Amino acid sequence: DGGITQSPKYLFRKEGQNVTLSCEQNLNHDAMYWYRQDPGQGLRLIYYSQIVNDFQKGDIAEGYSVSREKKESFPLTVTSAQKNPTAFYLCASTPPGQDRITGYTFGSGTRLTVV
Amino acid sequence: ILNVEQSPQSLHVQEGDSTNFTCSFPSSNFYALHWYRWETAKSPEALFVMTLNGDEKKKGRISATLNTKEGYSYLYIKGSQPEDSATYLCASRPFNTGTASKLTFGTGTRLQVTL
Repeated sequence: DGGITQSPKYLFRKEGQNVTLSCEQNLNHDAMYWYRQDPGQGLRLIYYSQIVNDFQKGDIAEGYSVSREKKESFPLTVTSAQKNPTAFYLCASTPPGQDRITGYTFGSGTRLTVV
Repeated sequence: ILNVEQSPQSLHVQEGDSTNFTCSFPSSNFYALHWYRWETAKSPEALFVMTLNGDEKKKGRISATLNTKEGYSYLYIKGSQPEDSATYLCASRPFNTGTASKLTFGTGTRLQVTL
């Protein structure tokens, strides 16, 4: 079955370390997105990519970086510059030109905790 | 309204009760309104994507309506069942995000259905 795989499910990071969250999809979707969830807040967009080798900053990109070298993969790196990295991170994708029909497909998320 | 707002924040109903939630979104530059169901420990799942004023969509016992002129959508669940227990998210996409499906999410309505 097609879907989005995020790994790991839980991740612990020491202060000052960079960590990379994986997001892989086998849906042949062009667009991929990273969102962050904090308690009491809606999902907030970190980065998105509409096509391979291209990505754009979302609303809260500071302290994060991404790459899109393959259509299937959109890893998110949480750098030491991110002041409050402890959060739940969701990856999503949409098929080309159909977001008004099908909506997002989401992964199951990664919970990152800074220790 | 600049943000997407959902009410109530949480709801506790008995099995068989019908219930409804509200989503308010910016009516200017409206492009699409999404509803998602997010069960604990699972991925958010798209319920509806709505685009036309006055639109009404249905999926089993769940239905949604859309008023783009005043900027609100209602989600209805008829005869709630325990398996309906989840957080229901709505998200708005404005017209001016170009070809990217950048969504602004509400904080969700958490529904608990008990026997």
